[in-house]
Amino acid sequence: GAVVSQHPSRVICKSGTSVKIECRSLDFQATTMFWYRQFPKQSLMLMATSNEGSKATYEQGVEKDKFLINHASLTLSTLTVTSAHPEDSSFYICSAPTRETQYFGPGTRLLVL
Amino acid sequence: GQQLNQSPQSMFIQEGEDVSMNCTSSSIFNTWLWYKQDPGEGPVLLIALYKAGELTSNGRLTAQFGITRKDSFLNISASIPSDVGIYFCAGGTGNTGKLIFGQGTTLQVKP
Repeated sequence: GAVVSQHPSRVICKSGTSVKIECRSLDFQATTMFWYRQFPKQSLMLMATSNEGSKATYEQGVEKDKFLINHASLTLSTLTVTSAHPEDSSFYICSAPTRETQYFGPGTRLLVL
Repeated sequence: GQQLNQSPQSMFIQEGEDVSMNCTSSSIFNTWLWYKQDPGEGPVLLIALYKAGELTSNGRLTAQFGITRKDSFLNISASIPSDVGIYFCAGGTGNTGKLIFGQGTTLQVKP
């Protein structure tokens, strides 16, 4: 099946710093990718839709200036958590759709101290 | 907004038993997907359903797309210890590719 990768798999940073997470579709092109956030023992919550060549679309309640998304190419989307705070600590997961279905990356564990 | 109600929230069963979980919604979906998530990892696709009434199997897993397009179930037959994990249903609408996730069902299997 299609493969989606994420980097890094986990990151620890100090409060106030910015963290960039990469999402790549390895064997297919994706004009759209999705970013989710998952808190412990909870389900996945869609944060935003990353669109290649245009601005990302954010879900209600998600701050676009805090979670910067750049869809640099047909195989790469990046999520930058700016001025991270401890409450931003979470599991961030990206996904990329194919014509048939949607595949998820392995996730990035972010811990903000 | 759209919501999916997934049940049961958790299950603790004996190895060899069959398992059933389901998702319901007040909204219509065009696609139903079932994923399994292991701790610290991303969801892995188990079964994808695209047509109302569709019944699809993947090994010991069977899932159906409800005829009303508002529900779906997943059955696991003859459970084994590696079935342990969290199972999520996800509904998709339109051409945006957006998915709405259920709350998850945590499955524990006793050897």
